[in-house]
Amino acid sequence: DGGITQSPKYLFRKEGQNVTLSCEQNLNHDAMYWYRQDPGQGLRLIYYSQIVNDFQKGDIAEGYSVSREKKESFPLTVTSAQKNPTAFYLCASRFSIGTEAFFGQGTRLTVV
Amino acid sequence: QKEVEQNSGPLSVPEGAIASLNCTYSDRGSQSFFWYRQYSGKSPELIMFIYSNGDKEDGRFTAQLNKASQYVSLLIRDSQPSDSATYLCAVNKGGGADGLTFGKGTHLIIQP
Repeated sequence: DGGITQSPKYLFRKEGQNVTLSCEQNLNHDAMYWYRQDPGQGLRLIYYSQIVNDFQKGDIAEGYSVSREKKESFPLTVTSAQKNPTAFYLCASRFSIGTEAFFGQGTRLTVV
Repeated sequence: QKEVEQNSGPLSVPEGAIASLNCTYSDRGSQSFFWYRQYSGKSPELIMFIYSNGDKEDGRFTAQLNKASQYVSLLIRDSQPSDSATYLCAVNKGGGADGLTFGKGTHLIIQP
């Protein structure tokens, strides 16, 4: 089955720790995205990548980092510099700019 | 002015009636428009996309786009309790940037 897989589904982080969220897709999509969603809020763009080995900052990139070493994979690292990391993180992909985007099931990150 | 605006609701509609969800956007250069449905605690799933002025129908759903007035709407006919969810309007970013800009969503409740 084609789709986008995010792992883990739930993640707990201690203050000061870096954590990495996984996102893998087998849809052969070129473009991949990371969004953050806070309660009662819309989705906000963190980073995006249109091609392997290239990525761009979105609207709220501070405290986050990404890599795109393979077309299928776009991991997100939440660093200790992110002051308020507790949120629902969503990975998405699409064939190209302007086409519809599809989402993974999300990772809920909680700082403890 | 926010980039994508939606009435947060809740919008309460009797079962079997038509639910009408509205969205306005500020970037006149926007070309692609999407409606996502999000159940509580889940990731968004694509309902409709529309690129051209006018109506686009898919089953019980109709998307309407008016670029001159900068609004896009979603009609749900014969509303069912399973349609109760938050509906997110998304607009493709313009100006050479990539990604979707999301509204905060409208919470729809279908009353049995």
